[in-house]
Amino acid sequence: KNEVEQSPQNLTAQEGEFITINCSYSVGISALHWLQQHPGGGIVSLFMLSSGKKKHGRLIATINIQEKHSSLHITASHPRDSAVYICAVDGGATNKLIFGTGTLLAVQP
Amino acid sequence: KAGVTQTPRYLIKTRGQQVTLSCSPISGHRSVSWYQQTPGQGLQFLFEYFSETQRNKGNFPGRFSGRQFSNSRSEMNVSTLELGDSALYLCASSLEPLGMGGYTFGSGTRLTVV
Repeated sequence: KNEVEQSPQNLTAQEGEFITINCSYSVGISALHWLQQHPGGGIVSLFMLSSGKKKHGRLIATINIQEKHSSLHITASHPRDSAVYICAVDGGATNKLIFGTGTLLAVQP
Repeated sequence: KAGVTQTPRYLIKTRGQQVTLSCSPISGHRSVSWYQQTPGQGLQFLFEYFSETQRNKGNFPGRFSGRQFSNSRSEMNVSTLELGDSALYLCASSLEPLGMGGYTFGSGTRLTVV
């Protein structure tokens, strides 16, 4: 079993829909990161969370430390949101990122 | 403010050769970490450097090595290349060693081994 599990693996949505991507982890962490990767490879860091909730524009990220679970929400989705979304955790004792397998999101106009 | 710069962007090498990749972090960032991304294994941690010291290493063979210079620029080296080393190699820099300030990623070096 992977230490970081994401669901769903693939997601197709219509423009304007509310999207949720989930991440569960089984290790102790100091922080959880949500990353976005577009075709071509570049990775953008969206959020870093250690507790609670963060919001940036149409993106919202939440984390429940007790349940070892985080969600990334996209409100009013747009085709430009199409990308791979990756959850990664900073193992507090190990000081390295452990990645989920990613969620491929396609938003259709 | 310049981002994280990785060079070269693309590289084709032959089995058995060695390769050196470079990563220049954001000015002021002293932590640089390296990652390998392949279709089969996804993103995997290679190693992290902070103030010229390797702080952590992932589960990769000794053919993979790295170093960090006093200006925080980092290089990674892969010797005796194998076909399976074909991958996108990404580096990320952060302000603190534990990445608590968040990570900024470079665009990556796409290595193809033939």
